[in-house]
Amino acid sequence: DVKVTQSSRYLVKRTGEKVFLECVQDMDHENMFWYRQDPGLGLRLIYFSYDVKMKEKGDIPEGYSVSREKKERFSLILESASTNQTSMYLCASTIFSNQPQHFGDGTRLSIL
Amino acid sequence: AQSVTQLDSQVPVFEEAPVELRCNYSSSVSVYLFWYVQYPNQGLQLLLKYLSGSTLVKGINGFEAEFNKSQTSFHLRKPSVHISDTAEYFCAVNPQGGSEKLVFGKGTKLTVNP
Repeated sequence: DVKVTQSSRYLVKRTGEKVFLECVQDMDHENMFWYRQDPGLGLRLIYFSYDVKMKEKGDIPEGYSVSREKKERFSLILESASTNQTSMYLCASTIFSNQPQHFGDGTRLSIL
Repeated sequence: AQSVTQLDSQVPVFEEAPVELRCNYSSSVSVYLFWYVQYPNQGLQLLLKYLSGSTLVKGINGFEAEFNKSQTSFHLRKPSVHISDTAEYFCAVNPQGGSEKLVFGKGTKLTVNP
């Protein structure tokens, strides 16, 4: 079974801090994704990566950056956290577009 | 560009009743279709997928969905729901031959009451 592990389930940070969210998958998947989930808005894609060191912007990349130095690890970075980035963040991976994405359990991030 | 509309944001039903969660999509190309379920405080889990072939797709936990190309719909059904089916359900599409990106609907919160 594919396992996608997000480093924290809950995280509380302060405005202006640099925040790192980590995601690791164990199935050698090429593609990895970061989403944020807000009530009534569903899942919105922040960034995705289709290979090591490759990244593409999703629908809402502003205020975020990503890093993929190794195939199994995809990091989301909030350069200077703001209160409007309080949300649930979900990481996912897949091997091909016609195969399902596998999700981690999410990180609930609060910015105070 | 693709878009997905889940017509009901909330669906309350009684235990053992049938349920249908509606999903319509818009795309200029053929698509792959997925339904995911999210239980409280968890990530998304695949319920079922349509890639090609038979338009009636069976998934886990007794759910099934029917792909209707002419109506661009992919409605999810279960003939008899349980309390444990209470969760949020997401429909998603991915264009064939396109990027790996999924486009999600906004979700339908199913509440099963005793």
